Amino acid sequence: DSGVTQTPKHLITATGQRVTLRCSPRSGDLSVYWYQQSLDQGLQFLIQYYNGEERAKGNILERFSAQQFPDLHSELNLSSLELGDSALYFCASRFGDRGGYGYTFGSGTRLTVV
Amino acid sequence: SQELEQSPQSLIVQEGKNLTINCTSSKTLYGLYWYKQKYGEGLIFLMMLQKGGEEKSHEKITAKLDEKKQQSSLHITASQPSHAGIYLCGAGYNNNDMRFGAGTRLTVKP
Repeated sequence: DSGVTQTPKHLITATGQRVTLRCSPRSGDLSVYWYQQSLDQGLQFLIQYYNGEERAKGNILERFSAQQFPDLHSELNLSSLELGDSALYFCASRFGDRGGYGYTFGSGTRLTVV
Repeated sequence: SQELEQSPQSLIVQEGKNLTINCTSSKTLYGLYWYKQKYGEGLIFLMMLQKGGEEKSHEKITAKLDEKKQQSSLHITASQPSHAGIYLCGAGYNNNDMRFGAGTRLTVKP
């Protein structure tokens, strides 16, 4: 157990639907990062939050949004889902928002859009 | 990630053999991370390298950072089936979010 908790582990939904993925960071970690991993795109950075504020954006679609709550857990919302959104979604956390702090990854949420 | 190139993309070795995986950055590095992933599972942190010339070891895995060349190598000595998986290098560009290479898929044949 890495200390980063992601729920649910698996999600199957239909095209056009909306889902929410949840991440609880490791105790004491202030930064949360979201990544998408698909077979053809590899591991792609989506977005980062630090202590409730958005800090960096990567290849995140407009249909996707995220937030980090006061208790530091984060949610990634995916809407108007398409078949191509099927992927593993990872959350990672670390103490700081820059510098030499390691990232700890959760075990991921496997999203299947049918 | 276009910033990080990993080679080879896949590797099949006989158990007991040594192997090296390379990771080259097209931009200045602010730290280089190595992770291992079992297929469909989460990433396991292996090592973080921050300074040019730095070398770290964990069990039979050694990683080095050549800051001038903007590249890192991961070397496994006397490979075992338990080493099989996908090895990913990640780099902290902008000293902030981390980008990953496409990964190297390692198969170790008993």
